[in-house]
Amino acid sequence: EAGVAQSPRYKIIEKRQSVAFWCNPISGHATLYWYQQILGQGPKLLIQFQNNGVVDDSQLPKDRFSAERLKGVDSTLKIQPAKLEDSAVYLCASRGLGGGLWNEQFFGPGTRLTVL
Amino acid sequence: RKEVEQDPGPFNVPEGATVAFNCTYSNSASQSFFWYRQDCRKEPKLLMSVYSSGNEDGRFTAQLNRASQYISLLIRDSKLSDSATYLCVVRGRGSTLGRLYFGRGTQLTVWP
Repeated sequence: EAGVAQSPRYKIIEKRQSVAFWCNPISGHATLYWYQQILGQGPKLLIQFQNNGVVDDSQLPKDRFSAERLKGVDSTLKIQPAKLEDSAVYLCASRGLGGGLWNEQFFGPGTRLTVL
Repeated sequence: RKEVEQDPGPFNVPEGATVAFNCTYSNSASQSFFWYRQDCRKEPKLLMSVYSSGNEDGRFTAQLNRASQYISLLIRDSKLSDSATYLCVVRGRGSTLGRLYFGRGTQLTVWP
């Protein structure tokens, strides 16, 4: 079974530029997450989708970050304009419906963003 | 106050040692608890879930103390391959859609 796919793997931009990340979850997984992981910290949820609807975006800096999952499958996260403090690894994860409270989130390899 | 607090370490132990990690969580309504493992420059992967009665998976034992809101992970007979960061994870509320909160991770290095 293919895992969560993300691209690009690395991105270097200058501050005030825009950047977009793409994620394709595991086939059939209805729930998709975007996390931000700053060096030395644990992942922090930015946004959670259930199919193509937003479940939780309370920690998404909406003045500069946006995300969509239009057809309920793959998703795009955008930052516009980027700031130095956005340098981090952006992780996408997905989860299926089985297992209830204990079902596992599967993470993609992440996109490492450096803002100069 | 952070949802999940962990001692970041680092822990440096010889092969064969026993090492224990602890974390505390702030939301008493939490019902799901996990340990994830993250290798350097890799994504987190589920190591094990933590059940109320405690559970064991080979050399790994996880314990939960709901009264103290405290979770532990014990690794026996450490291997070089155990070197990684261990993330304590709590689901924020009793719902399958509840957000996962990650601790900052505890770094473990096992040396020969």
